[in-house]
Amino acid sequence: NAGVTQTPKFRVLKTGQSMTLLCAQDMNHEYMYWYRQDPGMGLRLIHYSVGEGTTAKGEVPDGYNVSRLKKQNFLLGLESAAPSQTSVYFCASSPRGGGSNEKLFFGSGTQLSVL
Amino acid sequence: DQQVKQNSPSLSVQEGRISILNCDYTNSMFDYFLWYKKYPAEGPTFLISISSIKDKNEDGRFTVFLNKSAKHLSLHIVPSQPGDSAVYFCAARYGNKLVFGAGTILRVKS
Repeated sequence: NAGVTQTPKFRVLKTGQSMTLLCAQDMNHEYMYWYRQDPGMGLRLIHYSVGEGTTAKGEVPDGYNVSRLKKQNFLLGLESAAPSQTSVYFCASSPRGGGSNEKLFFGSGTQLSVL
Repeated sequence: DQQVKQNSPSLSVQEGRISILNCDYTNSMFDYFLWYKKYPAEGPTFLISISSIKDKNEDGRFTVFLNKSAKHLSLHIVPSQPGDSAVYFCAARYGNKLVFGAGTILRVKS
């Protein structure tokens, strides 16, 4: 059981380049999230999705776009990368919210450097 | 404006002793609180949670305490083990989202 898989694990971009981070989950979870982790800032929510075909903005959505065309996949796009987007990106998923199902299952992260 | 704060960036504890990690929050609308543990080069993993209607939840060596009047959450690890060395994130739920603190690095010395 793979859980949440993120690709790629590492990437170096030049300012202005674009890229897409892929997240795939095999747990049939409804909710999926993209977070970024920066030193001293913890995990900040970029975008999230509560179901196939839906997306919503989180705390820090500027400069990113997302798509959830299939239930198991959640894509994070950077159209024109900036050095401020250098970070570790984590994808997560969770079952439909409510009760004690709030815990998220995280991927192992993508280290992105923008030069 | 950080709604969830972990004011101690790091904590060092001797093996076998108690580790106490603290978390403060400002939003009284949070209804669920969680602790996540993260090892280097891995994603965070769920550790323990507590509903806002409770004041204590225990799971083995891990106990979470909630003081709603003080808007304060703490995680107790007893006894601490070297394998507990990791970054611990406090998180709070509001609606469909979790808000995370900045994390506390715990080092358990053997």
